[in-house]
Amino acid sequence: DAGITQSPRYKITETGRQVTLMCHQTWSHSYMFWYRQDLGHGLRLIYYSAAADITDKGEVPDGYVVSRSKTENFPLTLESATRSQTSVYFCASSLTDMNTEAFFGQGTRLTVV
Amino acid sequence: SQQGEEDPQALSIQEGENATMNCSYKTSINNLQWYRQNSGRGLVHLILIRSNEREKHSGRLRVTLDTSKKSSSLLITASRAADTASYFCATDNQAGTALIFGKGTTLSVSS
Repeated sequence: DAGITQSPRYKITETGRQVTLMCHQTWSHSYMFWYRQDLGHGLRLIYYSAAADITDKGEVPDGYVVSRSKTENFPLTLESATRSQTSVYFCASSLTDMNTEAFFGQGTRLTVV
Repeated sequence: SQQGEEDPQALSIQEGENATMNCSYKTSINNLQWYRQNSGRGLVHLILIRSNEREKHSGRLRVTLDTSKKSSSLLITASRAADTASYFCATDNQAGTALIFGKGTTLSVSS
């Protein structure tokens, strides 16, 4: 299906494990983003990418790794999950820069126990 | 740190009433966007207003932007129960490469 999809929708993992959240878009949008949403904090930017092989840190990048070898995919990896990374993660994409709207995935609810 | 701050944090109104949400931001912007999030869902884009625009309309939505006061407002006229959601303003970062969101206003419309 066309659009932006995230997988898995729900994930429970243990402290210290590595976990990867997937994001795939079918529009060939240049920009892609990862946000986390927590009560009291709204959405906070983790990492973003302006194009394949170009990534940059956002507001809260510590503990996360991203890659973008293909335009359509932007996986987010938690190298060693901590309880503070329990959150809802949203991936988004935008055609060009931030003068156009962003399209969001459905989110991944991650629980670290 | 958050660029935009919405006010109020929560708003409860009756169907048919108007709902006004405000957003203040800190640094100069190229544009400001408003998004809606229904419970348990992703964000959906509502409207984008550029820094050289003062007002924009889309259906029952009216957005204003005052760059001198670094503030914007979102007005939803004749609210419906289906408008119940969280509303976020977002501005571009200084490099224009990412959107920075506020904490949102939770709107509850009762019938």
